[in-house]
Amino acid sequence: EVVLTQSPGTLSLSPGETATLSCRASQNLGINYLAWYQQRPGQAPRLLIYGATTRATDIPDRFRGGGSGTDFTLSINRLEPQDFGVYYCQHYGSSDVTFGGGTRVEI
Amino acid sequence: EVQLVTSGGGVVRPGGSLRLSCAASGFRFEEFGLSWVRQVPGKGLEWVSGINFNGGSVGYGDSVKGRFTISRDNAKNSLYLQMSSLRSEDTAFYFCSRNFNGGRNSPSDRWGQGTLVTVSS
Repeated sequence: EVVLTQSPGTLSLSPGETATLSCRASQNLGINYLAWYQQRPGQAPRLLIYGATTRATDIPDRFRGGGSGTDFTLSINRLEPQDFGVYYCQHYGSSDVTFGGGTRVEI
Repeated sequence: EVQLVTSGGGVVRPGGSLRLSCAASGFRFEEFGLSWVRQVPGKGLEWVSGINFNGGSVGYGDSVKGRFTISRDNAKNSLYLQMSSLRSEDTAFYFCSRNFNGGRNSPSDRWGQGTLVTVSS
């Protein structure tokens, strides 16, 4: 099973700043089956990025996924108040699916 | 509009069973894989199970393998999760979700509202 470790645990930033979130996999993900989700309090998760770098439908270009192999990042440019919440990375392999522990972004 | 309405949650005793349902609308149900994801209140996400577009391929997380069964009825646009031998650690909100393609393990681009399952004596 792939283990995903997210860092930092919490990120405290101001509107307009850039957030950089990290997700490290315990083994090489090969074809980069890595997704990112945002979850605001009391809401279901929202898909942001899949395939490590592809934005999901209606996701603004302020959200950018990067990385490959074992190290992946999610960058959120020009932070807006509605960007607060918890962000999760997810590996979706052929045999299993795992989530990272999450990074809380405080605005 | 895509809608996923989850039902069937509640309180159940350890060792008991429960069946969750997810009624879908607003999209061609038979073309998409589906998933169940759970979340202990205040904690992170855990993938529970996934099923491909025609039900021919299913997968489970290690913590529920052998106890939970996922199924779908494409004629009724419905997804199910049969949970048995429930344990206190199964207590969580359970979300049903639509995968972004027909695969069982693909990322989920639409989510239901979640239903709370509480396993307690």
